Amino acid sequence: NAGVTQTPKFRILKIGQSMTLQCTQDMNHNYMYWYRQDPGMGLKLIYYSVGAGITDKGEVPNGYNVSRSTTEDFPLRLELAAPSQTSVYFCASSFRDSTNEKLFFGSGTQLSVL
Amino acid sequence: KQEVTQIPAALSVPEGENLVLNCSFTDSAIYNLQWFRQDPGKGLTSLLLIQSSQREQTSGRLNASLDKSSGRSTLYIAASQPGDSATYLCAVLAEGGSNYKLTFGKGTLLTVNP
Repeated sequence: NAGVTQTPKFRILKIGQSMTLQCTQDMNHNYMYWYRQDPGMGLKLIYYSVGAGITDKGEVPNGYNVSRSTTEDFPLRLELAAPSQTSVYFCASSFRDSTNEKLFFGSGTQLSVL
Repeated sequence: KQEVTQIPAALSVPEGENLVLNCSFTDSAIYNLQWFRQDPGKGLTSLLLIQSSQREQTSGRLNASLDKSSGRSTLYIAASQPGDSATYLCAVLAEGGSNYKLTFGKGTLLTVNP
């Protein structure tokens, strides 16, 4: 199994550009998540999805959009990139059965907005 | 609001030493607690998950304990090795509005010196 695959690994954007971070999982997990990790700030939840066609906001959703058209894919869209979106982005997935849930993370996308 | 604190922020030990990493959380109404490992430039890997009804979990040289009433967990690493060098994060799962919410600590950076 490949697990959770994120692309690209690195990206530099100019202010105002847009891009999509791709995330795919092959474990048939129902839950998928997007986090951002800033130095000294821990992980913050951007958006999550409990299944295909269902998404919801996390702690820091402003400036981002997501979609979940299939169980496998959960892309994160940045419409108008801003320097505050410079961060490392992680996608994660899990099979949530009641409160028993083990998360699997992708290897991350390092994004710089200049 | 749930807050998760990890102390110390960084720890350096000689190889072979037994060590303890600490995690505390402000709201004891949790469902479970997880310990993760993060290597530089990589995503998080789940190490141990303790359900709220459990006191401890063990995996190889790792032992995690949970004292829910006092809001504390410890990760014990026996006979540390240079390969254990990484950032260790804890996260608690609790009620979060319409869904469960996972709250992460900022991590402890562990360096094991040969």
